[in-house]
Amino acid sequence: DADVTQTPRNRITKTGKRIMLECSQTKGHDRMYWYRQDPGLGLRLIYYSFDVKDINKGEISDGYSVSRQAQAKFSLSLESAIPNQTALYFCATSQWTGGASDTQYFGPGTRLTVL
Amino acid sequence: GESVGLHLPTLSVQEGDNSIINCAYSNSASDYFIWYKQESGKGPQFIIDIRSNMDKRQGQRVTVLLNKTVKHLSLQIAATQPGDSAVYFCAENKVGNYQLIWGAGTKLIIKP
Repeated sequence: DADVTQTPRNRITKTGKRIMLECSQTKGHDRMYWYRQDPGLGLRLIYYSFDVKDINKGEISDGYSVSRQAQAKFSLSLESAIPNQTALYFCATSQWTGGASDTQYFGPGTRLTVL
Repeated sequence: GESVGLHLPTLSVQEGDNSIINCAYSNSASDYFIWYKQESGKGPQFIIDIRSNMDKRQGQRVTVLLNKTVKHLSLQIAATQPGDSAVYFCAENKVGNYQLIWGAGTKLIIKP
């Protein structure tokens, strides 16, 4: 079984709809992240969470919100989807090891299309 | 702004040859660098990392070289195989920093 799972894997929606993308992990990591990937570009950080009570904005948080329901679950919401939010979305996890930079482990991605 | 970039968007190599993927970075405060591999339809997968106090680090069939003088990072893949076909990303951050700065990626194509 995959350590980091994302649902749904694909979603097509219309402008103005509310969308929630979900991420679950079985790695026991305390840190979780949401990224967006556009064609020809690297990943850009939307939100990150260091634990259940800690939520932080990333580089491109406008138009998005998140919820850390439990250590293992981190969901991303688009309150009112717009076409330029069409992209591939990745969830990632990591475990802080007290100084050394933590390697991030990625889920398989959710392909979102906003019409 | 500070960024990480790649010299070549696409690299074609013959199966069995060595591959070299390059990356330039501009943030002099970065002291930790990572290479990820992303296969079609999958999330990025960690390959190898290197700290700024090192010039070279080797893994299984992969070697990362860091040249801090010219702010250049490279990934060498020995005896390239069809399974190496993917997009390769370099990323950087400062030790302990949450945020990875990603390059745009290089697509590696293996010719039979």
